[in-house]
Amino acid sequence: DQQVKQNSPSLSVQEGRISILNCDYTNSMFDYFLWYKKYPAEGPTFLISISSIKDENEDGRFTVFLNKSAKHLSLHIVPSQPGDSAVYFCAARSNYQLIWGAGTKLIIKP
Amino acid sequence: GAGVSQSPSNKVTEKGKDVELRCDPISGHTALYWYRQSLGQGLEFLIYFQGNSAPDKSGLPSDRFSAERTGGSVSTLTIQRTQQEDSAVYLCASSQTTPQETQYFGPGTRLLVL
Repeated sequence: DQQVKQNSPSLSVQEGRISILNCDYTNSMFDYFLWYKKYPAEGPTFLISISSIKDENEDGRFTVFLNKSAKHLSLHIVPSQPGDSAVYFCAARSNYQLIWGAGTKLIIKP
Repeated sequence: GAGVSQSPSNKVTEKGKDVELRCDPISGHTALYWYRQSLGQGLEFLIYFQGNSAPDKSGLPSDRFSAERTGGSVSTLTIQRTQQEDSAVYLCASSQTTPQETQYFGPGTRLLVL
């Protein structure tokens, strides 16, 4: 049973436009949510996070939104740049464990 | 280097052989994690070390898998009698002190069992 789901395996966005990556979860006990970015042949790198007590967190071009009632979070990237092309993983924390989604491959078209 | 390093970067082995994967965490990080990523899947937690405490092995998929961390630093993940379903990318991560700290990942070891 997948506790964290990323239902879109891939997403293609025009450079300069907004990229929206979605993530759904089932466990209301998660206290922290994180987004990681992964390039081929590299390990995931931390991008942005949000505590379960907040609704929104912004860091430059990246904003994460959390809707607890819907058990849904999203990552907005605006404007999208070619270097944003990567696989994005959503992860939820329970104690010290991170429960990961399967990832969404974002492709930024020039 | 200042990041998490893993070796080897790639490993091809025959079914039934044992393999050892190594992780060097960031210096000073007391928490160390092993994950596995199979094709098209998210990361699967395997094991967690925190300082000198007993590790949490709850994610290890079978008794063929074991891990140790010597001197609170370098960790080795051992897979005995490898099976084809063990083929995956094995990722190591470390964090500074508590589990609430951000985890920093190594580049992973790509294991292929023929």
